[in-house]
Amino acid sequence: KNQVEQSPQSLIILEGKNCTLQCNYTVSPFSNLRWYKQDTGRGPVSLTIMTFSENTKSNGRYTATLDADTKQSSLHITASQLSDSASYICVVSADGNNRLAFGKGNQVVVIP
Amino acid sequence: DAGVIQSPRHEVTEMGQEVTLRCKPISGHDYLFWYRQTMMRGLELLIYFNNNVPIDDSGMPEDRFSAKMPNASFSTLKIQPSEPRDSAVYFCASSPPGHYGYTFGSGTRLTVV
Repeated sequence: KNQVEQSPQSLIILEGKNCTLQCNYTVSPFSNLRWYKQDTGRGPVSLTIMTFSENTKSNGRYTATLDADTKQSSLHITASQLSDSASYICVVSADGNNRLAFGKGNQVVVIP
Repeated sequence: DAGVIQSPRHEVTEMGQEVTLRCKPISGHDYLFWYRQTMMRGLELLIYFNNNVPIDDSGMPEDRFSAKMPNASFSTLKIQPSEPRDSAVYFCASSPPGHYGYTFGSGTRLTVV
């Protein structure tokens, strides 16, 4: 079973609307959680990184939350733009481990 | 910094041929990772190096796959012989200790026909 599960698998939203992506993980012991944005044909680019003590972190119109007790994270996109169309990947790092656990991504399509 | 540089961006080869993918990590990054990405399986770690030494190659699918890092600024991933099921996007990533600057390259899209 994958240690990082993301939902929904895919999402279509109207330009200007908000959306929230979910990430549940079982990785332990927890070190940090990252959200990456991957545009088609490109490598993943880091949006946010949060450690155990951080509940929320923003990067422009992207806001990530973390509940380390329930092992859940969300990524909220505010006032979506066409350029937000991408795959958003949740990545969790275990303490003392150089391997990262990857979710399969949330595919977001923003339509005009 | 130009980031992590991978070449070629696209590679189309015939089954049975040898394929070599190249990666130049960010200067000063001690760690280098090779990943494979497919629609079905997402991103999978193949192997990673620390200070040019292979640390964990448990993700390398078969003996047909090999990776080297002869120096701090260059790594290769070789597939010999290639098979159609190797078709995927291969990413290289590098990071400093602690992995807070973890950076991916733009990937190499490999198609084996």
